[in-house]
Amino acid sequence: GQSLEQPSEVTAVEGAIVQINCTYQTSGFYGLSWYQQHDGGAPTFLSYNALDGLEETGRFSSFLSRSDSYGYLLLQELQMKDSASYFCAVPNYGQNFVFGPGTRLSVLP
Amino acid sequence: DAGITQSPRHKVTETGTPVTLRCHQTENHRYMYWYRQDPGHGLRLIHYSYGVKDTDKGEVSDGYSVSRSKTEDFLLTLESATSSQTSVYFCAISERSGRGEQYFGPGTRLTVT
Repeated sequence: GQSLEQPSEVTAVEGAIVQINCTYQTSGFYGLSWYQQHDGGAPTFLSYNALDGLEETGRFSSFLSRSDSYGYLLLQELQMKDSASYFCAVPNYGQNFVFGPGTRLSVLP
Repeated sequence: DAGITQSPRHKVTETGTPVTLRCHQTENHRYMYWYRQDPGHGLRLIHYSYGVKDTDKGEVSDGYSVSRSKTEDFLLTLESATSSQTSVYFCAISERSGRGEQYFGPGTRLTVT
C-alpha cells in the first residue's frame, strides 16, 4: 500500500531556512503535493511536483527525486506566520490521495 | 479561494443519532473527497466521488455512507454516530484524480457525546 514518512516536528528561528522531508512508497506514482495547515484551519495547497527537480514559488520551494522516492519542502526567510503543520501527499492508485502524518513547524523569534 | 462550503461548521450530537454533513462546491470539479482529521493521524480518507452517483470507499469508511446526486453537493452520513467519530471533517475537491492539487473546505467539528 501507500505510505509516507515525515518528521513529526521541526523548529527554526525567524529568517532561517528549513527543509521538511518526505519519503514515500506508492504504486502508480504521478507526483508529490505539499499542503500547509494552520491550527484550527483547513489545509491549503502549496505545490505539486510531477517531475524531478526543484520548483520555486516565492519563499517556498519543493523538490522531488522519483528515483529515491523522496521529496522536500524548503521554506526560506522564515516568518512567524509560517508556523503551521505541513503535509506531503501522493496519489493512491491514481484515484485519490494519501497524506503523510504531517510535520509541525515552529518558528521562534 | 476555491468555492467550497461545509455545513454545519460545528455540531454536537448524541451517540446513536444519525448525522449528515454537507459539502457544496461552486467550481464544477469532478472529484470530491471526505476526510477526517484526528490528532496523531493526519488526514484520512473516508469516501470519495469521481462523478455524480459514482462513489468509492477510502481508508476509514466503516460507519459512514455518502451520496452525490448533483455535481456540486457531496453528503456524508453517519448512520448511527459513535464517540469514535468525534473528529474534524474536511471536504475537498480536485479537477484531476490523484494528481495536482486539492482544495479544502473550512471543516466541520463534530462532537459525539
